[in-house]
Amino acid sequence: AQSVTQLGSHVSVSEGALVLLRCNYSSSVPPYLFWYVQYPNQGLQLLLKYTSAATLVKGINGFEAEFKKSETSFHLTKPSAHMSDAAEYFCAVSEDSSNTGKLIFGQGTTLQVKP
Amino acid sequence: EAGVAQSPRYKIIEKRQSVAFWCNPISGHATLYWYQQILGQGPKLLIQFQNNGVVDDSQLPKDRFSAERLKGVDSTLKIQPAKLEDSAVYLCASSWTSGPSYEQYFGPGTRLTVT
Repeated sequence: AQSVTQLGSHVSVSEGALVLLRCNYSSSVPPYLFWYVQYPNQGLQLLLKYTSAATLVKGINGFEAEFKKSETSFHLTKPSAHMSDAAEYFCAVSEDSSNTGKLIFGQGTTLQVKP
Repeated sequence: EAGVAQSPRYKIIEKRQSVAFWCNPISGHATLYWYQQILGQGPKLLIQFQNNGVVDDSQLPKDRFSAERLKGVDSTLKIQPAKLEDSAVYLCASSWTSGPSYEQYFGPGTRLTVT
């Protein structure tokens, strides 16, 4: 079965510092991988997705993620954190073998940005 | 374009009571998902509809949870009777059709507290 592990439930960075949120997945087939962001009392918003094209994926709000098959990782980065980036971030994998689009989510990482 | 609508936004009930949640997906979206998000965890798929048919309900506790999508548009999710462990945010999402390459758009969720 596919699964997603997000390393670190809480990450704290200073404004202007590099953001790195870690995600590792397990999958028996080439995966579709996603990063979502959730602001308080809101639904999830798609940041970016990997669909077996370019391994470096650029998303909204200056975020990007790199797919590394050898490491089964899909870490999310942003060169310079803004206060508005404070939110919860979820990595997810899709069960491509069934083609239903069902998403398996990690447990989430809360990003705190300090002034 | 209007997003996914959900109501109510908040609900507090006592255990053993029943509750129902409503979701109106984005117009034209054939696929509708209900996710359960327990505090501190990532969302977990409960049920997926394609039009008015069920694609996946493998993780729906069918002894107490039920869902329907009459006419392939709006959907309701019901819990009867509720248990303390059902306290969670219930997220509805929709996509153009099923498949991992189609983005899922999430509603704001319904926060359920069972006392």
